Amino acid sequence: AQRVTQPEKLLSVFKGAPVELKCNYSYSGSPELFWYVQYSRQRLQLLLRHISRESIKGFTADLNKGETSFHLKKPFAQEEDSAMYYCALSAMNTGFQKLVFGTGTRLLVSP
Amino acid sequence: DAGVIQSPRHEVTEMGQEVTLRCKPISGHNSLFWYRQTMMRGLELLIYFNNNVPIDDSGMPEDRFSAKMPNASFSTLKIQPSEPRDSAVYFCASSLGVRTTYEQYFGPGTRLTVT
Repeated sequence: AQRVTQPEKLLSVFKGAPVELKCNYSYSGSPELFWYVQYSRQRLQLLLRHISRESIKGFTADLNKGETSFHLKKPFAQEEDSAMYYCALSAMNTGFQKLVFGTGTRLLVSP
Repeated sequence: DAGVIQSPRHEVTEMGQEVTLRCKPISGHNSLFWYRQTMMRGLELLIYFNNNVPIDDSGMPEDRFSAKMPNASFSTLKIQPSEPRDSAVYFCASSLGVRTTYEQYFGPGTRLTVT
């Protein structure tokens, strides 16, 4: 079965510092990877997906198949980035129909 | 559009009681997903529908859980009888297609407490 691991429950940084939210997965094939975010008092929403290779709100994530990782990075954190971040995976053996989520990392950006 | 609507937002019930959670997906979306979020297990997919038909219910924890989607604009998740370990936040999400390449739009969640 596929599994997504986010080793940090809480990541606390100062404004302007670089941020890296770690995500590792276990799956032998080629997965689709996603980052979802939940800001305070808002709904869970898609931040970015690896197939789009895009930067959203300054965040990027690169799929590293050798290390089975999909870490989320931002060079300069902003206070408004404080939120709960979830890494998620879907796989061919489920027809890319099911999302498997990690347990999430809370990012706290202090002024 | 108000997005995905869930009701109630909070539910407190006693063990053994029946609980029904409701979801209205975004108009035009043909796929609907039910998730459960707990501290221990995070966010887990329970069941999902495509065009009102259940596709995969392998995530439903046991027979006490059931879900229906009688039409394109309404779905229910029922727990009967409820137990304290069912306490969690239950999310409904909808999307334009069943593949995960389609963004899933989440509702605000229903926080269920079973005493």
